[in-house]
Amino acid sequence: EAGVTQSPRYAVLQEGQAVSFWCDPISGHDTLYWYQQPRDQGPQLLVYFRDEAVIDNSQLPSDRFSAVRPKGTNSTLKIQSAKQGDTATYLCASSRQINQDTQYFGPGTRLLVL
Amino acid sequence: GEQVEQLPSILRVQEGSSASINCSYEDSASNYFPWYKQEPGENPKLIIDIRSNMERKQIQELIVLLDKKAKRFSLHITDTQPGDSAMYFCAARANTGYQNFYFGKGTSLTVIP
Repeated sequence: EAGVTQSPRYAVLQEGQAVSFWCDPISGHDTLYWYQQPRDQGPQLLVYFRDEAVIDNSQLPSDRFSAVRPKGTNSTLKIQSAKQGDTATYLCASSRQINQDTQYFGPGTRLLVL
Repeated sequence: GEQVEQLPSILRVQEGSSASINCSYEDSASNYFPWYKQEPGENPKLIIDIRSNMERKQIQELIVLLDKKAKRFSLHITDTQPGDSAMYFCAARANTGYQNFYFGKGTSLTVIP
């Protein structure tokens, strides 16, 4: 089966610019996660969805970050006004509800904010 | 939320020797503990996992141990090879509440030929 796909793979921005990341989960996976992974650190959950519903977005900086999954398939994560501290890799992962334990990661989007 | 501590952050071993990475967690409701390997520029890949109804699991050269009482789990790589060099992350997930995954900060393993 095809894996989780993400685009773009890289993004370079000036502070204050906006950027959107796109994720296509594995077909049939109803749960989708967005993680932020700063350099040399572990992934930190930002938000996750079950179908189109947000289950937990408590770690999402809501003043500048937003995430949607309108049809319960693809998802978009947007940063409205990027800051240098947002420099990180943004990972998307998906899993099946009936097997919530195993999540599969996409290749990530590496963001550099200058 | 859950806190997962992972040590050491850097580990260098000679080829053929064993490497051990230790993690601890706080939430007694955590019941699933995966380990991921991440190579430079790649996404994390699940290499082995253990559930709370087990104390030990082995897949080839990978061994994971779980001590629920102490809230600790560990990964042991026996007979390390240069290809084992990578970042390794442990994680914990509870079956209550938001059921999020909480990751350790990672261990950079270098296997010296």
